[in-house]
Amino acid sequence: TQLLEQSPQFLSIQEGENLTVYCNSSSVFSSLQWYRQEPGEGPVLLVTVVTGGEVKKLKRLTFQFGDARKDSSLHITAAQPGDTGLYLCAGTRGTSYGKLTFGQGTILTVHP
Amino acid sequence: NAGVTQTPKFRILKIGQSMTLQCAQDMNHNYMYWYRQDPGMGLKLIYYSVGAGITDKGEVPNGYNVSRSTTEDFPLRLELAAPSQTSVYFCASSYSSAGELFFGEGSRLTVL
Repeated sequence: TQLLEQSPQFLSIQEGENLTVYCNSSSVFSSLQWYRQEPGEGPVLLVTVVTGGEVKKLKRLTFQFGDARKDSSLHITAAQPGDTGLYLCAGTRGTSYGKLTFGQGTILTVHP
Repeated sequence: NAGVTQTPKFRILKIGQSMTLQCAQDMNHNYMYWYRQDPGMGLKLIYYSVGAGITDKGEVPNGYNVSRSTTEDFPLRLELAAPSQTSVYFCASSYSSAGELFFGEGSRLTVL
């Protein structure tokens, strides 16, 4: 059983479309991070959210942390082929000393 | 500008063989981690360290050992390799317990 459930697992869309990836849990997280991973490379941090209800924007990407700090979403506006990759959410709980719990990931493919 | 360096990038082992995956970081980070990534499963924490001489088990430690004699190095030892250890292994480091994780490029291990 995954502590962090991501949906959808696969997403294949056309350039210019909008999309949302969800990261849900029954547990409360003190912070939540989103990473992007390209083939043959390690994940790279996109954003960290720490406050319930927090919204952060990174160009065409909008990240939201749920009010209860149990869920998060990543919304991409006008997706581009360069957005293609594996998106991972990861959470830290209480005094877990940086031991991130990862979701299973969402593979996004944006077709030209 | 090396960051986190992992070696080897690829390795094929026979069942029962042993090997060590090397990880070095040049950012003077106290926190270091070993994750394994299996298809559709996200990343699972194997072992972590909060400083030289201090290590602890993560979510999936069985079949692995680690040591942390210096701040820079955090090798992962596989004893008696099994097919279930076929995976991509990522080493990561962070400055603080809730900070950004910096990942290496990964080591792809196949056990036949």
